[in-house]
Amino acid sequence: GAGVSQTPSNKVTEKGKYVELRCDPISGHTALYWYRQSLGQGPEFLIYFQGTGAADDSGLPNDRFFAVRPEGSVSTLKIQRTERGDSAVYLCASSLRAVSTDTQYFGPGTRLTVL
Amino acid sequence: KNEVEQSPQNLTAQEGEFITINCSYSVGISALHWLQQHPGGGIVSLFMLSSGKKKHGRLIATINIQEKHSSLHITASHPRDSAVYICAVRGGAGGTSYGKLTFGQGTILTVHP
Repeated sequence: GAGVSQTPSNKVTEKGKYVELRCDPISGHTALYWYRQSLGQGPEFLIYFQGTGAADDSGLPNDRFFAVRPEGSVSTLKIQRTERGDSAVYLCASSLRAVSTDTQYFGPGTRLTVL
Repeated sequence: KNEVEQSPQNLTAQEGEFITINCSYSVGISALHWLQQHPGGGIVSLFMLSSGKKKHGRLIATINIQEKHSSLHITASHPRDSAVYICAVRGGAGGTSYGKLTFGQGTILTVHP
């Protein structure tokens, strides 16, 4: 598997529940990005990692959202006390490095529906 | 006003037509990306530009840094080109925004046979 993978592909949860979304980047990619795409909109930035550390988390909408990448590879986006407005497709991307000349490769996304 | 604006939002064409999608941005950038998203599918990077012009098959992308404007052209359009085309910019060097992409709202292209 050479591409970025995300699990689950679909997640339906109830308001107030906790969810975890997983991203497996391309092997060897040091930069990992999380984006969120609402219906009919372009993606919006949430957070990106360079290695294990969050280089920029300015897009996280509030403190219910948190992401980790403990070993510099797989990342998990965690959402506490989910709200209906969190419903969206959550996209993960990775690139070799976090520099402008490196292409970001996107995963298929996780569609989150909060009932 | 969004930092990245695309036009048109929706575009319908007949097979064979020449298509242009425009992107304007208001911030300093280190690179501009054109991406393609098929319904229910993932996002694929088409071009990454920091200056000038790039061509790949029937696709051509140009950027004018001074005018903060980029265009994506599709020659001899085909129904399989139907998708959402998204412009995204990467922040200027040195800032914390350097790594992330800021996206336009996308242009929905439909090419009829």
